[in-house]
Amino acid sequence: DTAVSQTPKYLVTQMGNDKSIKCEQNLGHDTMYWYKQDSKKFLKIMFSYNNKELIINETVPNRFSPKSPDKAHLNLHINSLELGDSAVYFCASSQKAGGNRETQYFGPGTRLLVL
Amino acid sequence: AQSVTQPDIHITVSEGASLELRCNYSYGATPYLFWYVQSPGQGLQLLLKYFSGDTLVQGIKGFEAEFKRSQSSFNLRKPSVHWSDAAEYFCAVGATGGGNKLTFGTGTQLKVEL
Repeated sequence: DTAVSQTPKYLVTQMGNDKSIKCEQNLGHDTMYWYKQDSKKFLKIMFSYNNKELIINETVPNRFSPKSPDKAHLNLHINSLELGDSAVYFCASSQKAGGNRETQYFGPGTRLLVL
Repeated sequence: AQSVTQPDIHITVSEGASLELRCNYSYGATPYLFWYVQSPGQGLQLLLKYFSGDTLVQGIKGFEAEFKRSQSSFNLRKPSVHWSDAAEYFCAVGATGGGNKLTFGTGTQLKVEL
């Protein structure tokens, strides 16, 4: 069973479109994250939710909106896609937000290409 | 703010040779340090982590890392590399405050020559 899953795995779309990426974890974790990995492989956190509550919101354009319907799901909606949004988006989860020692488990990534 | 530096962008080693990947961190207190591996087209997998105690930590796949506070380093080592170890390796530091934010280095790409 996949611990952290993301759909879709690949997403190719035109500039200006709106798209969503879904993430689900079956680990029973309380905290979920979205990271962006750019073309140089640099990974940067975007958002973090703890039990459906937003706790990390890095400097991300407001075209990006995370939504957590329950603690096992964290979706990422992107409005008005731009070329610079092309990247690999990783979802992750951990047991709880407090105590920075919690191991984060990553999904396989969603490769987004904006044309 | 915390930061992580991985000085080597690419490293090539022969199969069976030893490996050391460098990681330096900047952090105001005792860091929580992690090494993750990313195989091509895959997500990140945790190799090992350091929180406290013994400064030499063992991980999966025969990897180990040593925390050296005086050098602000957390280098990853493996005595004998296998071809399947070819991947991207990321060092990360756990952030202060809430949220369990990880700050990653820029990664080191490992190639293994047969």
